Amino acid sequence: DAGVIQSPRHEVTEMGQEVTLRCKPISGHNSLFWYRQTMMRGLELLIYFNNNVPIDDSGMPEDRFSAKMPNASFSTLKIQPSEPRDSAVYFCASSLGAGGPETQYFGPGTRLLVL
Amino acid sequence: GENVEQHPSTLSVQEGDSAVIKCTYSDSASNYFPWYKQELGKGPQLIIDIRSNVGEKKDQRIAVTLNKTAKHFSLHITETQPEDSAVYFCAARGGSYIPTFGRGTSLIVHP
Repeated sequence: DAGVIQSPRHEVTEMGQEVTLRCKPISGHNSLFWYRQTMMRGLELLIYFNNNVPIDDSGMPEDRFSAKMPNASFSTLKIQPSEPRDSAVYFCASSLGAGGPETQYFGPGTRLLVL
Repeated sequence: GENVEQHPSTLSVQEGDSAVIKCTYSDSASNYFPWYKQELGKGPQLIIDIRSNVGEKKDQRIAVTLNKTAKHFSLHITETQPEDSAVYFCAARGGSYIPTFGRGTSLIVHP
């Protein structure tokens, strides 16, 4: 299995630009998570999908952030417009659980720098 | 919601020594406690986990203990090696089914 795949691995953009991060979960997994990691705040859950439906988006910082999961094998996290404080490493993780999310498998992350 | 505290934030040991990382949680309904290892430039990877019906679990040089009464759990690494150097995260999953992560412990193993 290739594991969770994220693209791009690195993104450098200017303030105000739109940024789209992509994730392909492990085949067969029914839960998908987007996390943001910074030195100041650690690992923060942004949004959680189960069976392609957003279940908890309480961690999404503000309206500039949006996430979609059009099918079981693809998800995007979009920031529009981006700001320097959005600079962080963004992780996607997937899991399989009948009664709820079990072990999470993380992707390699996207390192975002907003200038 | 769940709150997970992790200590220490940094741990420096000599190769061959043992390392212990401790976490406490607040939600008594939590029933699943995974530990993740994050190497530089990579995503966190599960190394061991424990469920609330078990008090201890071992996997080679790694062990995890759980005290449900005190609501704390610990990671023990014996005979540490330089390749054990990484950031370690504990997590607890409660009734929301979404794990809450600790802030991480940076483990440095000196050769």
